[in-house]
Amino acid sequence: GAVVSQHPSRVICKSGTSVKIECRSLDFQATTMFWYRQFPKQSLMLMATSNEGSKATYEQGVEKDKFLINHASLTLSTLTVTSAHPEDSSFYICSAREGLAGGLSSYEQYFGPGTRLTVT
Amino acid sequence: QQPVQSPQAVILREGEDAVINCSSSKALYSVHWYRQKHGEAPVFLMILLKGGEQKGHEKISASFNEKKQQSSLYLTASQLSYSGTYFCGTAGPTNTGNQFYFGTGTSLTVIP
Repeated sequence: GAVVSQHPSRVICKSGTSVKIECRSLDFQATTMFWYRQFPKQSLMLMATSNEGSKATYEQGVEKDKFLINHASLTLSTLTVTSAHPEDSSFYICSAREGLAGGLSSYEQYFGPGTRLTVT
Repeated sequence: QQPVQSPQAVILREGEDAVINCSSSKALYSVHWYRQKHGEAPVFLMILLKGGEQKGHEKISASFNEKKQQSSLYLTASQLSYSGTYFCGTAGPTNTGNQFYFGTGTSLTVIP
């Protein structure tokens, strides 16, 4: 099956600093990538949907200026948590999907292994 | 937007069966099922695309009732490896395109 990588797998940073998380599709072109956040014992909450070459679509309640998403190529999307605070500590997971951008929910999503962010 | 799953948690003995339900308040184009082990990313199980469709994956199968906006996951003759949290994922139309949402999750524990 298709492989999605995420880097780093774990990161600890100080409050006020910024952290960048990379999501790469290794053997396919991802027209759409999704970013999720998961708190302990909770479901994955969709943060934003990004299509290659266009601005990300953020879910209600997710701050665009705090969680910067860039999907510059068909194999790479990045999430930057700016001015991180302890409440941003979470498990961040990306997923990638082939198919036409912005549509066709029938395509399987391939998940990255996740990034555990701890803000001290 | 988030689909609701039931039950929240279930404990089974090896060999027993279980049903996990997923219900959405919105119209659905498709339903996906995933299993997540602790500390890991979700693993894809199956996609159901059409109303009334049923699919199977080894001893795990699922149904999708488009009219009722519901899906059910059936686990038969459960194995220890089935333990984990199961999530349905639903996709439907929104103003900005097809968004995808995970359900509330069902924790499944299989004991010997």
